[in-house]
Amino acid sequence: DAGITQSPRHKVTETGTPVTLRCHQTENHRYMYWYRQDPGHGLRLIHYSYGVKDTDKGEVSDGYSVSRSKTEDFLLTLESATSSQTSVYFCAIRGRANSPLHFGNGTRLTVT
Amino acid sequence: QKEVEQDPGPLSVPEGAIVSLNCTYSNSAFQYFMWYRQYSRKGPELLMYTYSSGNKEDGRFTAQVDKSSKYISLFIRDSQPSDSATYLCAMSALRDNYGQNFVFGPGTRLSVLP
Repeated sequence: DAGITQSPRHKVTETGTPVTLRCHQTENHRYMYWYRQDPGHGLRLIHYSYGVKDTDKGEVSDGYSVSRSKTEDFLLTLESATSSQTSVYFCAIRGRANSPLHFGNGTRLTVT
Repeated sequence: QKEVEQDPGPLSVPEGAIVSLNCTYSNSAFQYFMWYRQYSRKGPELLMYTYSSGNKEDGRFTAQVDKSSKYISLFIRDSQPSDSATYLCAMSALRDNYGQNFVFGPGTRLSVLP
């Protein structure tokens, strides 16, 4: 799995609670990404990082924040979870420009 | 019109058949084309990565890009039940240095019946 670990793999939480998902990579890759995957929408980019402490918003960033304090870790935080954030979240990494993405196995999040 | 169109299927074929999976796109700036395979409850796994037009072969898999028609294909020869999965196409432009502009198709669900 290209040295990518996502945790937790499954989580159920209540509306209004904060949630943090973690992505850990052992490839020393510069670029890291958070996507969500929903039926009918495919993969949509939430946030991405192009270096330690360098992050930017993707297509569906509202309600999400990220942090990257080390090369190997990229955290996704839902400050106050809503039911619309029920989804499968994938972390991806990329080593250099013009190379493909490699994905982790996802975190299945349910917000009740 | 969506940027990338892909028939969602499901597509069911008998074992041993040749499978053809396709995507069309509208953005002529796309230069890099990828196919991913995604098993149920797993992340997308890179199958093929091609640049510009032409064919690329890897074992039973062949990726074909026709930039003039804005059409890409993935062919699977001698399909096996283990090929049953969802296949996603993806593409990006030459100057997408940060990789923030990858565009994914919604995926085609394939079932190969023994």
